[in-house]
Amino acid sequence: EAQVTQNPRYLITVTGKKLTVTCSQNMNHEYMSWYRQDPGLGLRQIYYSMNVEATDKGDVPEGYKVSRKEKRNFPLILESPSPNQTSLYFCASSLSRIAGTGDTQYFGPGTRLTVL
Amino acid sequence: DQQVKQNSPSLSVQEGRISILNCDYTNSMFDYFLWYKKYPAEGPTFLISISSIKDKNEDGRFTVFLNKSAKHLSLHIVPSQPGDSAVYFCAPPPGRNEKLTFGTGTRLTIIP
Repeated sequence: EAQVTQNPRYLITVTGKKLTVTCSQNMNHEYMSWYRQDPGLGLRQIYYSMNVEATDKGDVPEGYKVSRKEKRNFPLILESPSPNQTSLYFCASSLSRIAGTGDTQYFGPGTRLTVL
Repeated sequence: DQQVKQNSPSLSVQEGRISILNCDYTNSMFDYFLWYKKYPAEGPTFLISISSIKDKNEDGRFTVFLNKSAKHLSLHIVPSQPGDSAVYFCAPPPGRNEKLTFGTGTRLTIIP
């Protein structure tokens, strides 16, 4: 089954304790992305990756890191989480990001993170 | 710099009636748009898209209209069903630097 998986689905942590949210897709997609969803702000892109070893900042990258060492995995790293990073996080992938292809993104189920 | 705007955060519609969700955009160079649907505790899923060379795309109960002169698109759901209750996001294609943005979403509630 084609899917994007995220782990953990729920996480409660404390300020400053490093954490990683994993994301994996089995569709051989080139493009992967992380979003956070906050009330009234919709989905905002954190980081994206065009392919292996190619990552770039989205609209809200502060406080986050990512890596893309393999095509299927795109972990999101919070080196020193703070309460303002409490949010619902989504990983997504798509085949390519060539403009005009009408390509759609496939989203993971989400990770609800609470930073105390 | 918000490239797409959904000005209605919520909408309630009686079951069986038409639901109309709106989205405005700023960049006339966008060559297609997508609508996503999101249920609570799930990731968004693709619903329907429209190319800028068309002014209408229909898929079953869902139709998206594009008005390029007004830089406006709308999603029509007819007839509305309880299972349509969800948050709907519009999204443009990626920008030059491949960033992606979404509208803030409209929460649709279908009243039985």
